Amino acid sequence: ETGVTQTPRHLVMGMTNKKSLKCEQHLGHNAMYWYKQSAKKPLELMFVYNFKEQTENNSVPSRFSPECPNSSHLFLHLHTLQPEDSALYLCASSQEGRVYYEQYFGPGTRLTVT
Amino acid sequence: DAKTTQPPSMDCAEGRAANLPCNHSTISGNEYVYWYRQIHSQGPQYIIHGLKNNETNEMASLIITEDRKSSTLILPHATLRDTAVYYCIVRPANQAGTALIFGKGTTLSVSS
Repeated sequence: ETGVTQTPRHLVMGMTNKKSLKCEQHLGHNAMYWYKQSAKKPLELMFVYNFKEQTENNSVPSRFSPECPNSSHLFLHLHTLQPEDSALYLCASSQEGRVYYEQYFGPGTRLTVT
Repeated sequence: DAKTTQPPSMDCAEGRAANLPCNHSTISGNEYVYWYRQIHSQGPQYIIHGLKNNETNEMASLIITEDRKSSTLILPHATLRDTAVYYCIVRPANQAGTALIFGKGTTLSVSS
């Protein structure tokens, strides 16, 4: 499945570093999402962008900063992270406005904070 | 919070049908039932969805009870590659910008 791509696939960063995760969807969708999946936990919704506007921030700490410059690209800027932020970060997209929808996920970025 | 209840784990022999149950007793009239699965360390993958009629596609069948309070995902001939966590999710139709809320799902282990 190459409809939603994420880079990098793996990232190791120190607590004082600044890095960014990138997501790109090639499906013509108008909504994009960031999810976090910690070890042995369910996926947690972080942010929702609908038509490039942020419509949901699920009480995410400010050390995570999303950016959606257009409907095809989504970034997650990271700074001063904690070891407990180590997780799989998943991006997804969907086409809103249909009666039903499918959410397409990228392969994820495996983040390790040291 | 997830609005569904699923068994934490199930086992299935390769080649046999895998029947994964889901309880959604508080489902509303305009909510669809969706099934996704997540193979280890990959992004979740859409499988099937339904409102009130039974549905079938190339991956699976979805059986929804008449009162819509529960459903069953059926993988007719499970293979080792079907080993994954399966999520049952309910979501209203036409609710723009509302993401899927995942629960803990059912870990299906298919063995030879």
